[in-house]
Amino acid sequence: GENVEQHPSTLSVQEGDSAVIKCTYSDSASNYFPWYKQELGKRPQLIIDIRSNVGEKKDQRIAVTLNKTAKHFSLHITETQPEDSAVYFCAAAYSGGGADGLTFGKGTHLIIQP
Amino acid sequence: IAGITQAPTSQILAAGRRMTLRCTQDMRHNAMYWYRQDLGLGLRLIHYSNTAGTTGKGEVPDGYSVSRANTDDFPLTLASAVPSQTSVYFCASSSFPRTNTGELFFGEGSRLTVL
Repeated sequence: GENVEQHPSTLSVQEGDSAVIKCTYSDSASNYFPWYKQELGKRPQLIIDIRSNVGEKKDQRIAVTLNKTAKHFSLHITETQPEDSAVYFCAAAYSGGGADGLTFGKGTHLIIQP
Repeated sequence: IAGITQAPTSQILAAGRRMTLRCTQDMRHNAMYWYRQDLGLGLRLIHYSNTAGTTGKGEVPDGYSVSRANTDDFPLTLASAVPSQTSVYFCASSSFPRTNTGELFFGEGSRLTVL
């Protein structure tokens, strides 16, 4: 089955700086790569996703890049703000992710220092 | 309000007891999932269902069972709870394949402690 590795497990950045979280996946058939944000005590929520026919996708301060050859993808958050503090999960799946669920990475705890 | 409802939100259970976590969605999503979340291990898939009447095993299915009698409900049962099943359990649903999006909509979670 699919295996997703995520790094780092904890990331502390100064407010206003950029944060980068990296993931690798093992199954070359995977074609859907979402990122979820989970605030303390809350449910995970989708913040951005990318499909294998696209190399990069942006949504305001967040962006995701995908390198299919190397089988890795990254989340970039620019101009970090206190509300960005949360745990972020990457995931991978085949066929849009709906058939048999997403395989998640272990998560990155992002801490925004004031 | 449309979404996913889980019950109970929190439960303490003696080892060996049977427990059913309930999950109901009103978005008419075909696919539903149960994940468990443990510190340092992320979210791991227990069981899933692509449509009413069908279920499948995920990464960590042992000790758990599910049923999908209709579109809306997807209960998770622990037949004989053990302490290693102490976790936060999230139910989720997806409109895939009716729509070409893989977004999972999560419930608020059920915190289960097995003593």
